[in-house]
Amino acid sequence: GAVVSQHPSWVICKSGTSVKIECRSLDFQATTMFWYRQFPKQSLMLMATSNEGSKATYEQGVEKDKFLINHASLTLSTLTVTSAHPEDSSFYICSARNLKASGRLGEQFFGPGTRLTVL
Amino acid sequence: AQKVTQAQTEISVVEKEDVTLDCVYETRDTTYYLFWYKQPPSGELVFLIRRNSFDEQNEISGRYSWNFQKSTSSFNFTITASQVVDSAVYFCALSEAGDYGGATNKLIFGTGTLLAVQP
Repeated sequence: GAVVSQHPSWVICKSGTSVKIECRSLDFQATTMFWYRQFPKQSLMLMATSNEGSKATYEQGVEKDKFLINHASLTLSTLTVTSAHPEDSSFYICSARNLKASGRLGEQFFGPGTRLTVL
Repeated sequence: AQKVTQAQTEISVVEKEDVTLDCVYETRDTTYYLFWYKQPPSGELVFLIRRNSFDEQNEISGRYSWNFQKSTSSFNFTITASQVVDSAVYFCALSEAGDYGGATNKLIFGTGTLLAVQP
């Protein structure tokens, strides 16, 4: 149980294009989803927190108009990198949790990540 | 402010050696959670352990053991008789408390320790 998937697992795009990354909780309802970014050989940095049906809360320094997050259902959140540039190349990881669950189900479960390369 | 420090950037050991990964944290909260995650080359984060601030009991799980010392704000991780499959980046993380792990459950990650186990 508590499986989170991401799609695509990797993507290469040209500079200026937009890229959408999906994060799905496969066997539980995710009231909250988190998006992290990890640059090579660096730590994970939280980009934003999204609660189902409401606007995402972005961390300081993260451009909300550039990284659009939609958490339209209890099992799906999407991150759209708009007008991507080479400096957006990174490993994007989502996680999901169910705030109403108890025990380990209330924890964050991580997706496998999406590697984005912008040429 | 919350902060997690993993002073060891890289560690290299020979198979069957024991190795300890250090983690020091800072927080003003009296209730908080500490985590260890493993990130193999594939990139997917693997949950290893969660410990709340009121439980200072050390834990052992197979070859893994954790030493939590509130007095020194440390949560160190020891792998006994290391194996090549243990090679990965290991992250220590801290989350605020609140309603089960925090209303937002933000995870603050350390910078990670790259463990290389040589055959």
